[in-house]
Amino acid sequence: EAGVAQSPRYKIIEKRQSVAFWCNPISGHATLYWYQQILGQGPKLLIQFQNNGVVDDSQLPKDRFSAERLKGVDSTLKIQPAKLEDSAVYLCASSFQSMNTEAFFGQGTRLTVV
Amino acid sequence: KNQVEQSPQSLIILEGKNCTLQCNYTVSPFSNLRWYKQDTGRGPVSLTIMTFSENTKSNGRYTATLDADTKQSSLHITASQLSDSASYICVVSLHNQGGKLIFGQGTELSVKP
Repeated sequence: EAGVAQSPRYKIIEKRQSVAFWCNPISGHATLYWYQQILGQGPKLLIQFQNNGVVDDSQLPKDRFSAERLKGVDSTLKIQPAKLEDSAVYLCASSFQSMNTEAFFGQGTRLTVV
Repeated sequence: KNQVEQSPQSLIILEGKNCTLQCNYTVSPFSNLRWYKQDTGRGPVSLTIMTFSENTKSNGRYTATLDADTKQSSLHITASQLSDSASYICVVSLHNQGGKLIFGQGTELSVKP
């Protein structure tokens, strides 16, 4: 079974530039998550999708971050404009359903904003 | 406030030794508790998932316990190996809000030869 695919693996941009991350979840998984993990901390949920609908985006900085999940499969997370404090690993995860099922994580995209 | 606290923050042990990591949570309504292993530069990988009625669950050399009354969990690693060096994250899932996952900050384990 293929895992959660993310790209790119690494990205370096200057502050005020824009960047986009892509995630392809495990086939058949209805729930998709985007997390931000700052070095030395646990992941922080940015947004949770159920199919192509948003379940929770309460911690998404909506003035600069946006996410979409087209057709309930792939998802993209965009930052525009980036700030230095956005430097982190962005993890995508998926699960068959939101409750009581295992969440599988991708390898993440390491973003460095300089 | 829903929180997950882990201790210790970091731990160094010798290869072959056992160790126990702790997790305390104040999450309600509780659905399940998970332990993840995160190698450097990789995404977290699930080790165990326990519901309210489960007291213990094993996955090879990893054994997790859950005391729902005291809201505590532990992860015991037996006969540690160098490959066990990683961050271990305790995660509690809510019974509402779409099963939202509340993450601890992790325990950084280093196994030395």
